[in-house]
Amino acid sequence: DAGVIQSPRHEVTEMGQEVTLRCKPISGHNSLFWYRQTMMRGLELLIYFNNNVPIDDSGMPEDRFSAKMPNASFSTLKIQPSEPRDSAVYFCASSLAGPPAYNEQFFGPGTRLTVL
Amino acid sequence: GENVEQHPSTLSVQEGDSAVIKCTYSDSASNYFPWYKQELGKRPQLIIDIRSNVGEKKDQRIAVTLNKTAKHFSLHITETQPEDSAVYFCAGGGGSYIPTFGRGTSLIVHP
Repeated sequence: DAGVIQSPRHEVTEMGQEVTLRCKPISGHNSLFWYRQTMMRGLELLIYFNNNVPIDDSGMPEDRFSAKMPNASFSTLKIQPSEPRDSAVYFCASSLAGPPAYNEQFFGPGTRLTVL
Repeated sequence: GENVEQHPSTLSVQEGDSAVIKCTYSDSASNYFPWYKQELGKRPQLIIDIRSNVGEKKDQRIAVTLNKTAKHFSLHITETQPEDSAVYFCAGGGGSYIPTFGRGTSLIVHP
């Protein structure tokens, strides 16, 4: 398996633009997580899907952020409009698990987002 | 939700020494405690995990201990090597709570 795939790997955009990050989880995994990593805030969970259904989105910063998982092999994280404070590395991770039992999360390579 | 605290934030050791990183958690129902290693510019990767029905687990130079009564768990690395230099994250959760990550420990191993 190729592992978790994320695209793009790097994104530079201007404030106010829409940004879409994409993730393909490992085939057969039923849980998908989106994280944001910054020096100041560490690794923050944004949203968690189980069997394509959003289970916990309490980490989504505000209405500018939205995430979808239309099928078991694809998820998107959208920021509209983007702001400089959104600059971070965004990781997608997948796992063969679900509440109440959790297992290893496999992380993608991340998308480094820079908002000017 | 679960609250995980991790200490120290930075740990500097000489090659060959041991390193210990500690985490505490808040919810007694948590039952899964993984440790991830993140090298500079790379993704976090699991190095070891432990579940609440086990008190200790070892894998070569790495071990994790769990004290459910005190609600803390620790990562032990023996005979450290320069390639152990990285950021290490603990996480805790399970049951009603999605595993929550600690803030990370930057381990520096000096040759």
